[in-house]
Amino acid sequence: IQLTQSPSSLSASVGDRVTITCRASQGIRSYLAWYQQKPGKAPKLLIYAASTLQSGVPSRFSGSGSGTDFTLTISSLQPEDFAAYYCQQVNSYPWTFGQGTKVEIK
Amino acid sequence: QVQLVESGGGVVQPGRSLRLSCAASGFSFSNYGIQWVRQAPGMALEWVAVISYDGSKNYYADSVKGRFTISRDNARNTLYLQMNSLRAEDAAVYYCATPPPGWDAVMATLGDYWGQGTLVTVSS
Repeated sequence: IQLTQSPSSLSASVGDRVTITCRASQGIRSYLAWYQQKPGKAPKLLIYAASTLQSGVPSRFSGSGSGTDFTLTISSLQPEDFAAYYCQQVNSYPWTFGQGTKVEIK
Repeated sequence: QVQLVESGGGVVQPGRSLRLSCAASGFSFSNYGIQWVRQAPGMALEWVAVISYDGSKNYYADSVKGRFTISRDNARNTLYLQMNSLRAEDAAVYYCATPPPGWDAVMATLGDYWGQGTLVTVSS
């Protein structure tokens, strides 16, 4: 299953609302996770099962969608949110990641 | 606390083999599935393989199927990735990590834990 993220990169300001989309080439029910990765660090799980916030993750992060179309929303971008974001499907083997979205400072 | 520590990376010639290890501590390793994820320099994350809690099920990315083997020794709390017939495109940082929650009960997850990664360089 191919996951296509859009946009590939975006520039935003602190306080902006940011939305990243992930589209699956086939239906994956709600078995989609979102990760944040900062340079030189391992990824960090933000959202699983499309919309469930991982423990300890700020509530400004939210996820939605099912089937083939999913979104990750950051309601008010903070300085520490500038990073790369990836989706991963765990509905069908082999699991796959999206190509990533880089969120940069405007 | 929960720790995953990878080792075994290094420089290897194309066509040769390498075995990565991931030592787990701080949790009941034998109860959970574990995945390998890699990332080439400056590139996106790429899923590599996953193994069930008891080692009975394993799945691979198409790009490594037939060349890589994931295994685990629950008595030693250790995960392995045997990589054969290495290619230049296999060069990456390799992470072991707990998988996100899914439908497959044999891939039960503990939470979100990742190792620090081990670098594999494939070069003649």
